[in-house]
Amino acid sequence: GESVGLHLPTLSVQEGDNSIINCAYSNSASDYFIWYKQESGKGPQFIIDIRSNMDKRQGQRVTVLLNKTVKHLSLQIAATQPGDSAVYFCAENLWEGAAGNKLTFGGGTRVLVKP
Amino acid sequence: GAGVSQSPSNKVTEKGKDVELRCDPISGHTALYWYRQSLGQGLEFLIYFQGNSAPDKSGLPSDRFSAERTGGSVSTLTIQRTQQEDSAVYLCASSLVATEKLFFGSGTQLSVL
Repeated sequence: GESVGLHLPTLSVQEGDNSIINCAYSNSASDYFIWYKQESGKGPQFIIDIRSNMDKRQGQRVTVLLNKTVKHLSLQIAATQPGDSAVYFCAENLWEGAAGNKLTFGGGTRVLVKP
Repeated sequence: GAGVSQSPSNKVTEKGKDVELRCDPISGHTALYWYRQSLGQGLEFLIYFQGNSAPDKSGLPSDRFSAERTGGSVSTLTIQRTQQEDSAVYLCASSLVATEKLFFGSGTQLSVL
């Protein structure tokens, strides 16, 4: 079936640099996307979301970009800090027709921030 | 409550035993999800409840897995005759409406010996 996937399983970044985490999706009917951050031993925490009628959305130090033409989603973290070390997941709203909607998660990217 | 609450936080059981995992969603949230996360892996969808609709059980890996949601609030995930491959973190999430932002609990770490 159609799914969400990530290009890079692990990303090492120097403290203070910007991070970019990429995600590809294949369902052109998806209309809602979310990024989650998961620290060790904790459940995923919401970072930022975006609807398909937008190309870009900014939060505090984070920006999500959506390119519907190539079905690509990215999360940019500005001035990466040690506390940003975590696994990041993207998720898409997968339309299931009569069965309703559910969010489907990608495999995750681990971000390691080097001091 | 203030957030999604799961219990127990850790569960160690013997192969073949049954286990029950509990999830208390955020009050007022109509959608509730169960996911499984194996060590170092992504989130595997198991089941989701939306209001009074029939649950989407399409992610349950076998008939040993079942879940119910009583009164549209608390949910219990039951695993019968546990196997070692069931060892994982079981995460519960809820949302105000389906497909909107999910709020996750801290999960139950299940270890089957």
